[in-house]
Amino acid sequence: GAVVSQHPSRVICKSGTSVKIECRSLDFQATTMFWYRQFPKKSLMLMATSNEGSKATYEQGVEKDKFLINHASLTLSTLTVTSAHPEDSSFYICSASQGASTGELFFGEGSRLTVL
Amino acid sequence: QKEVEQDPGPLSVPEGAIVSLNCTYSNSAFQYFMWYRQYSRKGPELLMYTYSSGNKEDGRFTAQVDKSSKYISLFIRDSQPSDSATYLCAMSAQGNNRLAFGKGNQVVVIP
Repeated sequence: GAVVSQHPSRVICKSGTSVKIECRSLDFQATTMFWYRQFPKKSLMLMATSNEGSKATYEQGVEKDKFLINHASLTLSTLTVTSAHPEDSSFYICSASQGASTGELFFGEGSRLTVL
Repeated sequence: QKEVEQDPGPLSVPEGAIVSLNCTYSNSAFQYFMWYRQYSRKGPELLMYTYSSGNKEDGRFTAQVDKSSKYISLFIRDSQPSDSATYLCAMSAQGNNRLAFGKGNQVVVIP
């Protein structure tokens, strides 16, 4: 149990286009999902907390108009990188909890975005 | 001072050796302590989960938490080449799913 699926695993796009990444909890309902960004050989940087049915909470320094987050259902959250630029190239990872606020999170496989 | 400190390594060990990893932290509110394993180009996989102080063992893995010293450890016994990965410590406070991560420790087990 506790499987989180992320899609696509890899995407290459042209500068100026928008890219959508999906995060799904396959066997449980997730009222809260988290989006992270990870640079090579670096730790995970929390970008935003996605809450089902309400607006996402962004971390300081993360542009909410750049990284649009939608948590439309208890099993799906999406991250859209708008007007992508090469500096947005990174590994994006989502995570979800099964409900209790105990810090026990399950992560997706990650999505590698390359902006040309 | 960062909330969570983890020496990024890398750490190379021969197959069969014991791998010892650790993290220190500064926030005394942290109650939940996790170790994640991350293979290259993959998402982190929850390896060990511990609440408060104490030891937890799962197969070849042992997690230790010493809240008085704000120090956590992960031991891998009889290490295998398949254990080669980056190990991230993470922790959170009560009622809070916002994890604070260490930088990650790259471990290489040499056959």
